[in-house]
Amino acid sequence: SHVLTQPPSVSVAPGKTARITCGENNIGNKGVHWYQQKPGQAPMLVIYSDSDRPSGIPERFSGSNSGNTATLTISRVEAGDEADYYCQVWDSNSDHVVFGGGTKLTVL
Amino acid sequence: QLQLQESGPGLVKSSETLSLTCTVSGGSISSSSYYWGWIRQPPGKGLEWIGNIYYSGNTYYNTSLKSRVTISVDTSKNQFSLKLNSVTASDTAVYYCAKYSTNWYGGYFDYWGQGTLVTVSS
Repeated sequence: SHVLTQPPSVSVAPGKTARITCGENNIGNKGVHWYQQKPGQAPMLVIYSDSDRPSGIPERFSGSNSGNTATLTISRVEAGDEADYYCQVWDSNSDHVVFGGGTKLTVL
Repeated sequence: QLQLQESGPGLVKSSETLSLTCTVSGGSISSSSYYWGWIRQPPGKGLEWIGNIYYSGNTYYNTSLKSRVTISVDTSKNQFSLKLNSVTASDTAVYYCAKYSTNWYGGYFDYWGQGTLVTVSS
């Protein structure tokens, strides 16, 4: 089935900036949403509609979307940011919700 | 604060029907602009969308599961339900229910249940 392309893993040192990508042809024409999932927990929305943050999500989390790639950026990474991250879109051609394969963020 | 809670058997025999219910509290399932969805996650794997339902009963299903899935809503109980027929071991997963907020981008899941593990046994 249709899956958005994410790198399986990203590693970053504490205090640095992590960038997690989500790829699809012309994804810039869609709204991209991002979820954080820690072990044993349900996913949590961290970015919606490309770059909006839900209440309670730190400003360190930001998003962008253009062309064939959407990006979740986490600034000043903390140990607590270590988690799996998933992107998601609505595919209007198939009327499907589509998730990316997920990226494991490791804080070194 | 909106809360969602999945309930149902944690063990289902192969070839039988998996049935789960999601109870919504702290808000009405009949609110406009919201759909309600089911998502699953096999152990150690990624998220897979199963389907969404509107309070009126309008549904969207993942094509890969459509022949086996039924999602229904009971507004009087503020609940929606999932039935998955003819299950096999590959249906073993944590099943989540979630609220799907729609906008002109399509939509996103902004509230999730804690998830429930369903194991299919032979």
